[in-house]
Amino acid sequence: QVQLVQSGPEVKKPGASVTISCKASGYIFSHHAVHWVRQAPGQGLEWMGWINGGSGNTKTSLRLQGRLTITRDTSAATAYMELSGLTSDDTALYYCVREGSSGWHGEFDYWGLGTLVTVTS
Amino acid sequence: SSELTQDPSVSVALGQTVRITCQGDSLRNYDPNWYQQKPGQAPLLVIYGKDHRPSGIPDRFSGSKSGNSASLTITGAQAEDEADYFCNSRDTNGVHWVFGGGTKVTV
Repeated sequence: QVQLVQSGPEVKKPGASVTISCKASGYIFSHHAVHWVRQAPGQGLEWMGWINGGSGNTKTSLRLQGRLTITRDTSAATAYMELSGLTSDDTALYYCVREGSSGWHGEFDYWGLGTLVTVTS
Repeated sequence: SSELTQDPSVSVALGQTVRITCQGDSLRNYDPNWYQQKPGQAPLLVIYGKDHRPSGIPDRFSGSKSGNSASLTITGAQAEDEADYFCNSRDTNGVHWVFGGGTKVTV
């Protein structure tokens, strides 16, 4: 079965960077894109960016451009998200998400359990 | 980038029908996907590509779209359907994605 296992919670100081990993299993990693979505406490979902599991091409949201880096290691079937210049506004639950097979619709069919990032001085 | 707009909340009596709407320019070109999120859980895909149900999703969930507006309908709402529901789609540029603000459904 498809699983996305994320790294553990992080506590960071303002201005620091955080890296979260997402290890995929149960499918061919290079056949699906991986997206990152975050959710601030009590808030809605925010799409952050994605990486093509095969080519490694990435796109990030305009809001996070310059601070967000998404990479992947196909040999380890793992995607990574690095967010720099953290502020308290970055305190959120960060999800890695698999894009499904429909192609055109871009549905997010499997979600990790989330990684809590807390930014505090 | 474009936005998707959802009503913040809606209530439905047990066994009745509720429609959750989502509006935005991106929906003119791209079909919406819908996610259910219960407290403390990751979102769950319930409808993709406007009106397709993933395996395991009850058939009381259905989707539709017209122009720049889309709807998720729960026909015969159950207590376990109480949750937040989010729509999303590709952005108007096709390479970014966007989420609606979410609708809290109370049964």
